[in-house]
Amino acid sequence: GENVEQHPSTLSVQEGDSAVIKCTYSDSASNYFPWYKQELGKRPQLIIDIRSNVGEKKDQRIAVTLNKTAKHFSLHITETQPEDSAVYFCAASLSTGTASKLTFGTGTRLQVTL
Amino acid sequence: KAGVTQTPRYLIKTRGQQVTLSCSPISGHRSVSWYQQTPGQGLQFLFEYFSETQRNKGNFPGRFSGRQFSNSRSEMNVSTLELGDSALYLCASSLGGTGIPEAFFGQGTRLTVV
Repeated sequence: GENVEQHPSTLSVQEGDSAVIKCTYSDSASNYFPWYKQELGKRPQLIIDIRSNVGEKKDQRIAVTLNKTAKHFSLHITETQPEDSAVYFCAASLSTGTASKLTFGTGTRLQVTL
Repeated sequence: KAGVTQTPRYLIKTRGQQVTLSCSPISGHRSVSWYQQTPGQGLQFLFEYFSETQRNKGNFPGRFSGRQFSNSRSEMNVSTLELGDSALYLCASSLGGTGIPEAFFGQGTRLTVV
């Protein structure tokens, strides 16, 4: 089955700096890669996703890149703010329309300091 | 548009008992997936239901079961509870149609087994 590895497990950056979280996946058939943000005591929230027919996607300060050949994808957060502090999860899925399940990475705890 | 609703929010059960958790998906969503979240194992996929049929299953023992009703609401049942079943149980809903894989999580049910 699919296996997703995520690095680093913790990341501390100063406000205004950039943060990068990297994930690798094992199943070359996976075609959907979402990122979730989970604040303490809250539900995971979908913040951005990318599909295998796209190499990069950007939404304001957040961007995701995908390298299908190397089977890795990354989340980039620019101009970090204290409210970006949370645990971020990457996931991979083979979404065929008939069945799908998300395999998650182990999470990255991002702390943005003033 | 209402989000994904899970009930109850908190549960305390004794070893050996059974428990039923409920998930109401976003209106119009036909797919409901269940995940177990623990500090040690992260987010792990339990199963997915679409149109009242289980179409994907994770690597959990048969004590974990689920079902989906005609209105897409889903229930998850855990029988013969063990201490290790203590976790946050999250459900996620998605449209389930071809090419629309985005999944949105409920706030979860925190189960404590004593």
